Amino acid sequence: GQQVMQIPQYQHVQEGEDFTTYCNSSTTLSNIQWYKQRPGGHPVFLIQLVKSGEVKKQKRLTFQFGEAKKNSSLHITATQTTDVGTYFCAGRLGGNTPLVFGKGTRLSVIA
Amino acid sequence: DTAVSQTPKYLVTQMGNDKSIKCEQNLGHDTMYWYKQDSKKFLKIMFSYNNKELIINETVPNRFSPKSPDKAHLNLHINSLELGDSAVYFCASSQQGSNYGYTFGSGTRLTVV
Repeated sequence: GQQVMQIPQYQHVQEGEDFTTYCNSSTTLSNIQWYKQRPGGHPVFLIQLVKSGEVKKQKRLTFQFGEAKKNSSLHITATQTTDVGTYFCAGRLGGNTPLVFGKGTRLSVIA
Repeated sequence: DTAVSQTPKYLVTQMGNDKSIKCEQNLGHDTMYWYKQDSKKFLKIMFSYNNKELIINETVPNRFSPKSPDKAHLNLHINSLELGDSAVYFCASSQQGSNYGYTFGSGTRLTVV
């Protein structure tokens, strides 16, 4: 079945350092979404990317969708302790198929 | 008001029992989902359902069955619970064609002993 691979699985950074997580799909995606799950919480929708090569920003977060619509990345500039959590990418082939989630990147930020 | 609400929040039960988890959404979304999150935090789709179509992940044992009395509710029934069923189960909803993603419930932590 469709797989969405995400790396790294864990990332520990000092507060103020940058952080990037990468997502790759074996098949072309109609769109990709990113979610954040705080420890003990539930996934919360961050953003959706639809167009080839699309780049979107939310404050210190930058999201990219690859030209071939098979890969994506989330970059956080100058991490803060409030960024702690697991970041998931999720892709969809199209139509009514449910999102397939990557395995997530767990971010720890050391103050 | 909670957009997607699940009950119970915690569920501890013995092997072999049958249990249900309820989910309700007040967002007017047309599609609902159940995801299982294991101890490694992997989120795995179990079912998606709207009033026209039920999509079942073929790897889900048939001991698990979704029940939807109406478009605002999607309950999860589990027969003959096994130790490996212990996980956090998340309900979610979405609207087809929307640029907004899934809205998740707060999860049900199921522990089978």
